[in-house]
Amino acid sequence: EPEVTQTPSHQVTQMGQEVILRCVPISNHLYFYWYRQILGQKVEFLVSFYNNEISEKSEIFDDQFSVERPDGSNFTLKIRSTKLEDSAMYFCASSEALRRDRGYFGPGTRLTVT
Amino acid sequence: AQSVSQHNHHVILSEAASLELGCNYSYGGTVNLFWYVQYPGQHLQLLLKYFSGDPLVKGIKGFEAEFIKSKFSFNLRKPSVQWSDTAEYFCAVNGNTDKLIFGTGTRLQVFP
Repeated sequence: EPEVTQTPSHQVTQMGQEVILRCVPISNHLYFYWYRQILGQKVEFLVSFYNNEISEKSEIFDDQFSVERPDGSNFTLKIRSTKLEDSAMYFCASSEALRRDRGYFGPGTRLTVT
Repeated sequence: AQSVSQHNHHVILSEAASLELGCNYSYGGTVNLFWYVQYPGQHLQLLLKYFSGDPLVKGIKGFEAEFIKSKFSFNLRKPSVQWSDTAEYFCAVNGNTDKLIFGTGTRLQVFP
């Protein structure tokens, strides 16, 4: 079965540094998402991306965050200047049809900001 | 605004016991409903989903959920749990926006 993959599995960075989290969605999917889960809290939506632009973003997704699909396969989340509160598990997801198919989440990248 | 409530934060059961995890949502329009499972150290996996039709939905691993529109509920059930069902379970809803709203999750521990 096709899978969403994410790299790295764990990223440690210092406060103020930039990080880029990478995702490879399933190849025929058109909709891409980032979610995050702070330890002990619920999974929260960050952003959705379709047709090379953001289709929706949450209030969490401020100017420090950006997303990009630099080529035909990767989907990245950049945090420009990390803060301690950015420490979380970040999940990438992809879907084939808008709202109809939500089953494909990646394994996550654990980001630790020190 | 859409929201999802999971009232059971931590459930402890013995093997073969029956399971029911509560999920209530608030949204006035048409919704799609999901249950995800996250096994220790693993990523979110879809257990089952409801879009329309039969309100009793069967998913993988013997799980099922019933959508009761009048109660805004989508409870997850399994008649006989196994030790391997130990995991965190998340209810999620998708309404008129392009995002999933998750509940806080229920941690299930099953003892042999």
